[in-house]
Amino acid sequence: AQKVTQAQTEISVVEKEDVTLDCVYETRDTTYYLFWYKQPPSGELVFLIRRNSFDEQNEISGRYSWNFQKSTSSFNFTITASQVVDSAVYFCALSEAANRDDKIIFGKGTRLHILP
Amino acid sequence: KAGVTQTPRYLIKTRGQQVTLSCSPISGHRSVSWYQQTPGQGLQFLFEYFSETQRNKGNFPGRFSGRQFSNSRSEMNVSTLELGDSALYLCASSLAGTRPDTQYFGPGTRLTVL
Repeated sequence: AQKVTQAQTEISVVEKEDVTLDCVYETRDTTYYLFWYKQPPSGELVFLIRRNSFDEQNEISGRYSWNFQKSTSSFNFTITASQVVDSAVYFCALSEAANRDDKIIFGKGTRLHILP
Repeated sequence: KAGVTQTPRYLIKTRGQQVTLSCSPISGHRSVSWYQQTPGQGLQFLFEYFSETQRNKGNFPGRFSGRQFSNSRSEMNVSTLELGDSALYLCASSLAGTRPDTQYFGPGTRLTVL
């Protein structure tokens, strides 16, 4: 069965610090996608990144970077030089190719507070 | 391209009433999924529609239903509302080409049941 675990329920850091959000997943499928979404106080889930299971290259987008490691079933997300606008709930999610229903399984989310 | 839109953004209902939520997907997207988000249960999948057909359903009672129109717009209906139905209801659309696909979410409808 597919499962996504975000062990950190809440993190607080001071602005400009780096912060890493952990995500561990479980799947029996060999083809799957992993996602990160950001949910600001407005409520909308904002798509951040999708990673294919066959592509283990790390990705960097501005202050955001993602570390995908199949050996440990992890897909961690790092924000460098955090800013107050990064305060939000971040969700890691998994979708399997063999899963016929297109649904995404979400982790419980990590609430990130960036303190000024 | 416009994003996913949901109406209304906020709703207050009383127990026993019914409610209909609307979702307009991104232009060209044919798949619409609905999720319920609560503090206790997190994000839970309700159902997914593709080409006016329900492709899959999550583990929710029959009081939760939906439909999709020929223009891919979708509605979700909850009958006989219960206090526990208070939640943020999120709609997501995707192209529904090859699986798996990226889902793009709307701002949600916050439903409060009194």
